Amino acid sequence: QSVLTQPPSTSGTPGQTVTISCSGSGSNIGSNTVNWYQQLPGTAPKLLIYTNYQRPSGVPDRFSGSKSGTSASLAISGLQSEDEADYHCAAWDDSLFGWVFGGGTKLTVL
Amino acid sequence: QVQLVQSGAEVKKPGSSVKVSCKASGGPFRSSGFSWVRQAPGQGLEWIGRIIPILGGPNYAQKFHGRVTVNAVKSTTTVYMELTSLKSEDTAVYFCARDGGVGGAAIDSWGQGTLVTVAS
Repeated sequence: QSVLTQPPSTSGTPGQTVTISCSGSGSNIGSNTVNWYQQLPGTAPKLLIYTNYQRPSGVPDRFSGSKSGTSASLAISGLQSEDEADYHCAAWDDSLFGWVFGGGTKLTVL
Repeated sequence: QVQLVQSGAEVKKPGSSVKVSCKASGGPFRSSGFSWVRQAPGQGLEWIGRIIPILGGPNYAQKFHGRVTVNAVKSTTTVYMELTSLKSEDTAVYFCARDGGVGGAAIDSWGQGTLVTVAS
């Protein structure tokens, strides 16, 4: 049972926009910023979005993040086949004094 | 960006212990936060514990208290995680991950992962 809640799966066709939600509580998303990670099969997670909406260099602007209250969202526009991966949200939790993650969302590009 | 290189895969018997290493290079070590995160087969990411070398004392997820030890050796810029009393449910890929330390907003670097298999 993950502390942050994500849908287990989502899908879209090339060119579409998909959105992945991440729900938490006051001690994590409500108090701290949200980060998103992309994980390709058999590899380590890669930082995709940090501090709610910022992109590390090299991440396409097709990826965008937002946060409101105790929830956050990742949007992927202009979906491409190479976007097929697992996506994880994360935030610092002030009560647990550690990082908390969502269960991950598997994105399938149809 | 910090590079993190972990030790190799391990196969362990139930009840035994495992110690995984993570060598950091290319960035600040003492002020960074180093976490251990695991991923069981087909599951999400689970935070185990974290240490900031310049501060010393690690903190652990309640679930692992008493079974895990995380320490950092500043002279070799290496972080270690030892997990004891292994059970089959501990079978997972264990990742070392780095954040900005005190006030650090995100884990920005990950090791390649170490597969730990617990089987009799």
